[in-house]
Amino acid sequence: GNSVTQMEGPVTLSEEAFLTINCTYTATGYPSLFWYVQYPGEGLQLLLKATKADDKGSNKGFEATYRKETTSFHLEKGSVQVSDSAVYFCALSPNDYKLSFGAGTTVTVRA
Amino acid sequence: EPEVTQTPSHQVTQMGQEVILRCVPISNHLYFYWYRQILGQKVEFLVSFYNNEISEKSEIFDDQFSVERPDGSNFTLKIRSTKLEDSAMYFCASSGNPQGGEKLFFGSGTQLSVL
Repeated sequence: GNSVTQMEGPVTLSEEAFLTINCTYTATGYPSLFWYVQYPGEGLQLLLKATKADDKGSNKGFEATYRKETTSFHLEKGSVQVSDSAVYFCALSPNDYKLSFGAGTTVTVRA
Repeated sequence: EPEVTQTPSHQVTQMGQEVILRCVPISNHLYFYWYRQILGQKVEFLVSFYNNEISEKSEIFDDQFSVERPDGSNFTLKIRSTKLEDSAMYFCASSGNPQGGEKLFFGSGTQLSVL
């Protein structure tokens, strides 16, 4: 079946530090891959997505590349801000609506 | 950006009671979903709903669960007789055309506590 494993948190960083959250997946076929973010008190928001191998998704300074050879979709940001403090979820879907999520990684950025 | 609205934000109920969780999807969306997250576990797909019927459901979505779009604006999840293990955060989502690559919009969730 489809599953996602992501780096456990919590992760605490200083402002302007480099962030990486690892995500690997197991899937049949060629799923789409996603990163969702949940800010405190809010719903899950799509941060970025990639639909095929070697695609790079990017948004708000975050990037992730769909690596079929390593079945990975690691999230990176070069310089985090306090406003990036949130829970980040890696997810995959064979059909763009039935998402399989990772457990979530809580990121706290200190000023 | 348009929003999916869920009410209440927190619901407490006694084991064996019925609960209805309410969601107002984005107005022109046609596809609706419920997900849930038990504390410390992954967000799990429960059910998808399109054209007034369930299009897909997970193993979790047993006979105790039902969904309804009663009035063209609300989308509800009913749990007939709640169990302790139903305690979770329930997320509603909607989309205009997911197969066309349109994203899912999630609500902020209803935290259900079954005592």
